[in-house]
Amino acid sequence: EDQVTQSPEALRLQEGESSSLNCSYTVSGLRGLFWYRQDPGKGPEFLFTLYSAGEEKEKERLKATLTKKESFLHITAPKPEDSATYLCAVQASYAGNNRKLIWGLGTSLAVNP
Amino acid sequence: NAGVMQNPRHLVRRRGQEARLRCSPMKGHSHVYWYRQLPEEGLKFMVYLQKENIIDESGMPKERFSAEFPKEGPSILRIQQVVRGDSAAYFCASSPRGGPSTDTQYFGPGTRLTVL
Repeated sequence: EDQVTQSPEALRLQEGESSSLNCSYTVSGLRGLFWYRQDPGKGPEFLFTLYSAGEEKEKERLKATLTKKESFLHITAPKPEDSATYLCAVQASYAGNNRKLIWGLGTSLAVNP
Repeated sequence: NAGVMQNPRHLVRRRGQEARLRCSPMKGHSHVYWYRQLPEEGLKFMVYLQKENIIDESGMPKERFSAEFPKEGPSILRIQQVVRGDSAAYFCASSPRGGPSTDTQYFGPGTRLTVL
């Protein structure tokens, strides 16, 4: 069964304290792995798509990496405005025309000033 | 350049009533997805539609739930005879037509349904 597991469930950092979030996945053929950010009461906001092992993407203080079994979201020198829930999702290649996303439960990040 | 729009943002219904949730995709997008988010359970896929066509409804409960995406107008998620367990946030996402860019889904702000 396709599955996405994120860790830790919650993370509290001091401003400037770098860390990494983990997303491990089990899927029969990966079409793509997606990272989103979700603020309370809002919809998920797209961050990155990764398609193959070894791929990396960067945006401001965030960097996403991908291996055959997991992805990491590295946060460098975070600021309080980076506080949010970070969601990971996968799309399976065997699904053909189906584009559904399979989601992890997210990591709730709090950055203290 | 408007993003995905959903309305209403908040909807309160009594048990047994009907709920209609609307979603207008981003301009130029012809693929629409509905997801449900329950506390402590994360986002779950419900249905994937293209204009006038349901591609996959494997995540949709067999009874009381239906979805459409007509040639003109928004996509509608309809829940008949709502029960308390239907209380959740319902998110719509859209993606462009054709090519690898179809894989990226952009989400709306959601509709928060409360069933009394």
